[in-house]
Amino acid sequence: QVQLVESGGGLVKPGGSLRLSCVGSGFSFNDYYMSWIRQAPGKGLEWLSYISSGSKITDYADSVKGRFSISRDNARNSLYLEMNSLRGDDTAIYYCATAKGIYGSGSYYLDYWGQGVLVTVSS
Amino acid sequence: EIVLTQSPGTLSLSPGERATLSCRPSQSVSSSYLAWYQQKPGQAPRLLIHGASTRATGIPDRFSGSGYGTDFTLTISRLEPEDVGVYYCQQYGRSPWTFGQGTKVEIK
Repeated sequence: QVQLVESGGGLVKPGGSLRLSCVGSGFSFNDYYMSWIRQAPGKGLEWLSYISSGSKITDYADSVKGRFSISRDNARNSLYLEMNSLRGDDTAIYYCATAKGIYGSGSYYLDYWGQGVLVTVSS
Repeated sequence: EIVLTQSPGTLSLSPGERATLSCRPSQSVSSSYLAWYQQKPGQAPRLLIHGASTRATGIPDRFSGSGYGTDFTLTISRLEPEDVGVYYCQQYGRSPWTFGQGTKVEIK
């Protein structure tokens, strides 16, 4: 069955950096577009970014554009989120998810989700 | 960006009752690029519906989606105790993809 496992979360000071990882199994990782979504404590969901299967296409929410960078390593079935210049409002559970739809259209729904990893930004 | 407004904020119903959840985008969502997700307490979201009305794999047929443009609905035909949670709509027709604020479903 499809499994996505995030790691790399933790406590980081404002202005600091962190790199999240997501390992996929049970599906052909290199065929799928992938995405990151976050959820602040007690709040709703916020889409952050997606990346195409071959890494040529990426897109970001304005809230993280220029600070966060999405990448992937298909040989390792891994997705990454490099987060820089972290702020208190970046505190959230971060989820990775598979993105499905007509690839190339820019319009994908979030099919399978990992369990998430907590990132806390605090001094 | 497209803002999605969900109503009601909280829905409290008895088992077996019909639940109707609304999602209204601020702009028309093209080609019905609208999805619904269920998030049970302490769990990750799970895809229920995509393309406004297509059930995801393994989703019971008591869940159904309908609508187009600026008016979408998720219906749970007969509420069961395990349906407790928060339900989010999401549009993926235009970047940035956006979510509604959620509707909390409770069992009386």
